[in-house]
Amino acid sequence: GAGVSQTPSNKVTEKGKYVELRCDPISGHTALYWYRQSLGQGPEFLIYFQGTGAADDSGLPNDRFFAVRPEGSVSTLKIQRTERGDSAVYLCASSFVHNNEQFFGPGTRLTVL
Amino acid sequence: KQEVTQIPAALSVPEGENLVLNCSFTDSAIYNLQWFRQDPGKGLTSLLLIQSSQREQTSGRLNASLDKSSGRSTLYIAASQPGDSATYLCAVPTGANSKLTFGKGITLSVRP
Repeated sequence: GAGVSQTPSNKVTEKGKYVELRCDPISGHTALYWYRQSLGQGPEFLIYFQGTGAADDSGLPNDRFFAVRPEGSVSTLKIQRTERGDSAVYLCASSFVHNNEQFFGPGTRLTVL
Repeated sequence: KQEVTQIPAALSVPEGENLVLNCSFTDSAIYNLQWFRQDPGKGLTSLLLIQSSQREQTSGRLNASLDKSSGRSTLYIAASQPGDSATYLCAVPTGANSKLTFGKGITLSVRP
């Protein structure tokens, strides 16, 4: 079956702009995670959804970052007033339930000029 | 706070060699450990998930072991091939929500 998909694959924006990154998890997976990966580093946790609710948003760096999952499937990560330091690869992962194997999407490479 | 370490950061071996990639973690209260492969500019591909009750998990030429008490895992790659060249990351779930804590990865290069 289809894996986790993310769109767009690349996003270039200017400092101060608003961006939305989309994640389509594997069908039937109730747990969804967002991570951010900087060059040469492992991914770092941002936010976790169980169903429609954000069960843990402790990894969001500040209030410019927000994510939703209104119907318990697709999720959107929203970044307001982007800064150059937001440039990274944003990865989405899903699992059937939490503490199961996590499957990752191809990521969205965000570049803030 | 859970910390995951992978040393060395990079490794270069000739084709055909058997090799071991190491992963260590500070908090042994984990219920699984996952190994991933990442090709340049790509997402993460799950290679093996090893549960805390298991000591080993095998998939093809890959074998992962887990020693919770010592906070260590190894990924063994048999008869390495140039196509195995990639970055290998290990990760452990942290907290009730199973958010993964990753090491920085080991970049493997297999020379023909």
